[in-house]
Amino acid sequence: QKEVEQNSGPLSVPEGAIASLNCTYSDRGSQSFFWYRQYSGKSPELIMSIYSNGDKEDGRFTAQLNKASQYVSLLIRDSQPSDSATYLCAVSGATNKLIFGTGTLLAVQP
Amino acid sequence: DTAVSQTPKYLVTQMGNDKSIKCEQNLGHDTMYWYKQDSKKFLKIMFSYNNKELIINETVPNRFSPKSPDKAHLNLHINSLELGDSAVYFCASSQPQGPLTDTQYFGPGTRLTVL
Repeated sequence: QKEVEQNSGPLSVPEGAIASLNCTYSDRGSQSFFWYRQYSGKSPELIMSIYSNGDKEDGRFTAQLNKASQYVSLLIRDSQPSDSATYLCAVSGATNKLIFGTGTLLAVQP
Repeated sequence: DTAVSQTPKYLVTQMGNDKSIKCEQNLGHDTMYWYKQDSKKFLKIMFSYNNKELIINETVPNRFSPKSPDKAHLNLHINSLELGDSAVYFCASSQPQGPLTDTQYFGPGTRLTVL
């Protein structure tokens, strides 16, 4: 079992729709959770971090964490073509070591 | 100003050669990292240094040797390059602020191609 699992996609959504990206992790001791966005040929950039169960909203982005289910998700409202990228879920425990998923490719269709 | 910078951006070399990649951060962070992203886009940590001290050393061939001359710099030297070393190598930095992991900021990456 992979430590952090994501559906590789591509996830295709029409412009203006809600994109829902999901991630599960295996280490119950994980404490820190991140969503990074990576455009083709570029470096990962942080979208959201979340540390507590529940929802965290930042503009069009909402991260949701459920530690009991070992599940973290990212919702993107009013998706734009500029949101088309690979979204990487990353999880960390006490060692400060980030474990990344393989990423979900999101394609927002104009 | 670039927060985390790497040189070179592209590196093309022959099998068996030795090469180095340099990383510098001007964020004042104490911790720096090297990651490898393979052709399937899987991003995996290789090493981490905190204030010049090695704290994470994943299962990486000993042909890879990181060096941190000061907390703003972390270099990666690779001996006897192999075809499988072809990947994008990312440097990152963060500032630990307690038991929870803080945000890591990534450099632009170095695309290494071994022929």
